[in-house]
Amino acid sequence: ETGVTQSPTHLIKTRGQQVTLRCSSQSGHNTVSWYQQALGQGPQFIFQYYREEENGRGNFPPRFSGLQFPNYSSELNVNALELDDSALYLCASSLNPGGDNEQFFGPGTRLTVL
Amino acid sequence: KNEVEQSPQNLTAQEGEFITINCSYSVGISALHWLQQHPGGGIVSLFMLSSGKKKHGRLIATINIQEKHSSLHITASHPRDSAVYICAAPTQGGSEKLVFGKGTKLTVNP
Repeated sequence: ETGVTQSPTHLIKTRGQQVTLRCSSQSGHNTVSWYQQALGQGPQFIFQYYREEENGRGNFPPRFSGLQFPNYSSELNVNALELDDSALYLCASSLNPGGDNEQFFGPGTRLTVL
Repeated sequence: KNEVEQSPQNLTAQEGEFITINCSYSVGISALHWLQQHPGGGIVSLFMLSSGKKKHGRLIATINIQEKHSSLHITASHPRDSAVYICAAPTQGGSEKLVFGKGTKLTVNP
């Protein structure tokens, strides 16, 4: 059984560019949640995908979008990058949606926007 | 919206000491999560609990649903326990959206 993986590990972009981050779920998990963690802060919920559909969204603008594929892996896309988008992006998979399901986190992608 | 507060923000202890980290939340929930984050950034789920107490090795988590309060205890602390400990709760009930505390940075000195 493989854990949650994310790619790339680190990424440097410039303002205005677009970025795609990838997450591979733990085997058997159909739900993926994405979080943004700024330095010194707790993670902030971006959105969740359940069986390829968006299942809840946090307070993030539409330039943050996502996808979930039939194998339940997922992508986070961010358009028109801003300096404040610099953060650690974490994905977590779970057996089912709902805050009463244990979440298994990936190692994160550290995005720097210059 | 659920507000999740943790205390203390920073905690320094000597090896062997008993550690307590507190978490309070404002809205009734179905479960509360305790997570550990090491300097590299990766997060590990320690506990998910909805009532009573859970124990895993030297870690103990308790929750009081009526008081909307949870504690994470570490017995016989060790330098390898140094990390940021974060509690998280659904925004309400069993909502899919988790709200996270800002974390407690624990440093255990040898």
